Amino acid sequence: DAKTTQPTSMDCAEGRAANLPCNHSTISGNEYVYWYRQIHSQGPQYIIHGLKNNETNEMASLIITEDRKSSTLILPHATLRDTAVYYCIVRVSRRVGGSNYKLTFGKGTLLTVNP
Amino acid sequence: GAVVSQHPSWVICKSGTSVKIECRSLDFQATTMFWYRQFPKQSLMLMATSNEGSKATYEQGVEKDKFLINHASLTLSTLTVTSAHPEDSSFYICSARERDMYNEQFFGPGTRLTVL
Repeated sequence: DAKTTQPTSMDCAEGRAANLPCNHSTISGNEYVYWYRQIHSQGPQYIIHGLKNNETNEMASLIITEDRKSSTLILPHATLRDTAVYYCIVRVSRRVGGSNYKLTFGKGTLLTVNP
Repeated sequence: GAVVSQHPSWVICKSGTSVKIECRSLDFQATTMFWYRQFPKQSLMLMATSNEGSKATYEQGVEKDKFLINHASLTLSTLTVTSAHPEDSSFYICSARERDMYNEQFFGPGTRLTVL
């Protein structure tokens, strides 16, 4: 699976949009971009994933560049409860990855939402 | 959404004893479960992958005789840390993949193991 690069930490003011970047310049055509987050001392929580089109759900939006070498996770109105480590992961699709679908976690970005 | 539980949420044991951690998918059938370990201020490291009814696949460097994994049913997987030592103290997290839901894994809340 392709490696990702994320900033170590970011700050955001409560109520403002949080934009978390991720570089995945070696991504291949059959790899999806996934975002998870982990609040302190809890298990990771799935946020969103996409292949090449932008995606939006009730939690966030995912913007993937046209060349797919980078993406941005957007939390439109950050709250204090969004303070967490955010992981960007790229992974092969089920057609290639077989039945295991492993997720490889990097160091992620610690997002701190300030009052 | 799908819910995964772990039991216990924390455990303290003496060095040399064995500890069993349970991972349950509460409202779906989990054909595949994953076990991760996370040391303080570090990321999650995959330990092993288990498919229901078959032997677990361990990641390189993970001792299969020390970390016994059983996935006997579609809703339960167990991780047993045998002859635990202080260096095994960590946060153990499981995740589960639902049958036919290839793109999502659901994580449990984690189990904090402290070996004295």
